[in-house]
Amino acid sequence: AQKITQTQPGMFVQEKEAVTLDCTYDTSDPSYGLFWYKQPSSGEMIFLIYQGSYDQQNATEGRYSLNFQKARKSANLVISASQLGDSAMYFCAMREGWVGANNLFFGTGTRLTVIP
Amino acid sequence: ETGVTQTPRHLVMGMTNKKSLKCEQHLGHNAMYWYKQSAKKPLELMFVYSLEERVENNSVPSRFSPECPNSSHLFLHLHTLQPEDSALYLCASSRDGRETQYFGPGTRLLVL
Repeated sequence: AQKITQTQPGMFVQEKEAVTLDCTYDTSDPSYGLFWYKQPSSGEMIFLIYQGSYDQQNATEGRYSLNFQKARKSANLVISASQLGDSAMYFCAMREGWVGANNLFFGTGTRLTVIP
Repeated sequence: ETGVTQTPRHLVMGMTNKKSLKCEQHLGHNAMYWYKQSAKKPLELMFVYSLEERVENNSVPSRFSPECPNSSHLFLHLHTLQPEDSALYLCASSRDGRETQYFGPGTRLLVL
């Protein structure tokens, strides 16, 4: 089974509107971390936000927030007040466990296009 | 200085060539990673080094050979590659194996 599932290959949003990018994950480990990365056409993977499995509150970083629903195993990214520069690929990723936890499992990504 | 740098940014090579990709991190991290990103596939972890020791090798073909001379530098030596090895190769680093990974800009490799 896939560890990370992103079901939206592409999304469109009007500039200044909010958009939610979906991510579900699969793990039986009680300790895990969830990450979102942005990849513009230039190729660099830019870290956006992190949520730990034991964190009580949803993570927020500026215009990015993570809607963490543990029971549903979902970690959706919400981008508020979209800007043209937000157009990019967005990847959800998960790290399992704590000991030797070097591997990040990535989803297939969602291409976000912001419309002027 | 950008956190993680990679050179070259673009590389075209024939199947009989030998080339190397270089990654350098200026973040004081102890772990470094090579990933392969092919079209329409999730990122694939290739190699992990922690404190200059290889800790993971995800069954990567021997035509890819990593080298980590110190905690700031990571190389990926390439020889006798196949056209299906054409991809974006991303380097990343993290403070340790559990911390957030920070990526470089990648090397776009085309094997003819």
